Amino acid sequence: DGGITQSPKYLFRKEGQNVTLSCEQNLNHDAMYWYRQDPGQGLRLIYYSQIVNDFQKGDIAEGYSVSREKKESFPLTVTSAQKNPTAFYLCASNRGDSQETQYFGPGTRLLVL
Amino acid sequence: RKEVEQDPGPFNVPEGATVAFNCTYSNSASQSFFWYRQDCRKEPKLLMSVYSSGNEDGRFTAQLNRASQYISLLIRDSKLSDSATYLCVVEPNTGKLIFGQGTTLQVKP
Repeated sequence: DGGITQSPKYLFRKEGQNVTLSCEQNLNHDAMYWYRQDPGQGLRLIYYSQIVNDFQKGDIAEGYSVSREKKESFPLTVTSAQKNPTAFYLCASNRGDSQETQYFGPGTRLLVL
Repeated sequence: RKEVEQDPGPFNVPEGATVAFNCTYSNSASQSFFWYRQDCRKEPKLLMSVYSSGNEDGRFTAQLNRASQYISLLIRDSKLSDSATYLCVVEPNTGKLIFGQGTTLQVKP
């Protein structure tokens, strides 16, 4: 089945800890995106990558880092510098054409202990 | 002013009702418009794209008014399964999508 997978579904972070969220797609999409969603709010863009080995900051990149070593994979690290990391994290992808919709993975819910 | 604004609701309607959501956007250069549906604690899924001429998909009708910079979604004959949050999404010709905060619909028996 073609699609986007994210793991884990739930993740708990201790104070001062870095955690990495996985996002994989087998849709042969060039572009991948990371969003954060807080209760009652729309999605906010953290980072995006339009091609392998290249990525750009979105609107709320502080405290996060990414890598894009493979076309299929776009992991997001939530660092200890992110002071309010509790949120629903969504990964998306598309071919990268302008005006194209995006397809989302099932999300990872991050909670701080 | 937010780039994309929606009335958060909730809209509580009986089964069979017709309900309409509006969304306004600030960037007049925006080229693409979408409605996504998001169920509780799930990922957003594309409901329909919005075309300049308006478009219909079964019970759902989307309209675009470029002059007034708003998009609408009309749902006819509401079903219980239509209960969800509806996200208005705009692509302001930057390759990035801008999401509204969503409008929550609750259809009651």
